[in-house]
Amino acid sequence: NAGVTQTPKFQVLKTGQSMTLQCAQDMNHNSMYWYRQDPGMGLRLIYYSASEGTTDKGEVPNGYNVSRLNKREFSLRLESAAPSQTSVYFCASSKGTSGGFVGEQFFGPGTRLTVL
Amino acid sequence: TQLLEQSPQFLSIQEGENLTVYCNSSSVFSSLQWYRQEPGEGPVLLVTVVTGGEVKKLKRLTFQFGDARKDSSLHITAAQPGDTGLYLCAPREGFQKLVFGTGTRLLVSP
Repeated sequence: NAGVTQTPKFQVLKTGQSMTLQCAQDMNHNSMYWYRQDPGMGLRLIYYSASEGTTDKGEVPNGYNVSRLNKREFSLRLESAAPSQTSVYFCASSKGTSGGFVGEQFFGPGTRLTVL
Repeated sequence: TQLLEQSPQFLSIQEGENLTVYCNSSSVFSSLQWYRQEPGEGPVLLVTVVTGGEVKKLKRLTFQFGDARKDSSLHITAAQPGDTGLYLCAPREGFQKLVFGTGTRLLVSP
């Protein structure tokens, strides 16, 4: 099992360019998440998908869109990149809630994005 | 959104020392997870605590959930260089979400 995979690993964009970050999991998980990690800010939730066919905003959704393509894949799109979106982006997945509490989240290796 | 504070922000110690890091909030947590993140990688789950007063041990790591479920601590005994990393607490928020603290960055030198 590869777990959670993300592409690309690194990306440099110019302000105004668009791009899509890809994420896939092979653990048959129901829930998937996109986070960004900035120095001193911890991990902040951008969007999540509790199950196939649903998506919801997290703490910092502005400037991003997501697509839950199928149960395995969850993509994050930047329509018009801005320097404030320079960050490390992590995708995660989890089986889904069990017994009333959210389960373990499995993280991908991250995408390091720089917007000039 | 819960206000979450982790302390200390940075900790640099020598191999063999003991340490404790803290996760505090004014809100009551229904459950809380601890993750460790190594440089260049994603976080990895260490433990989940659910019950107030709960203590869980993972080799040299001891996790405690406060009686009132507003705080948690992680104690490492005889730290080793392999313990180096960013330690993140993450209480549950809502149905499917976690809220991550800013973390404690630990450096253990040989």
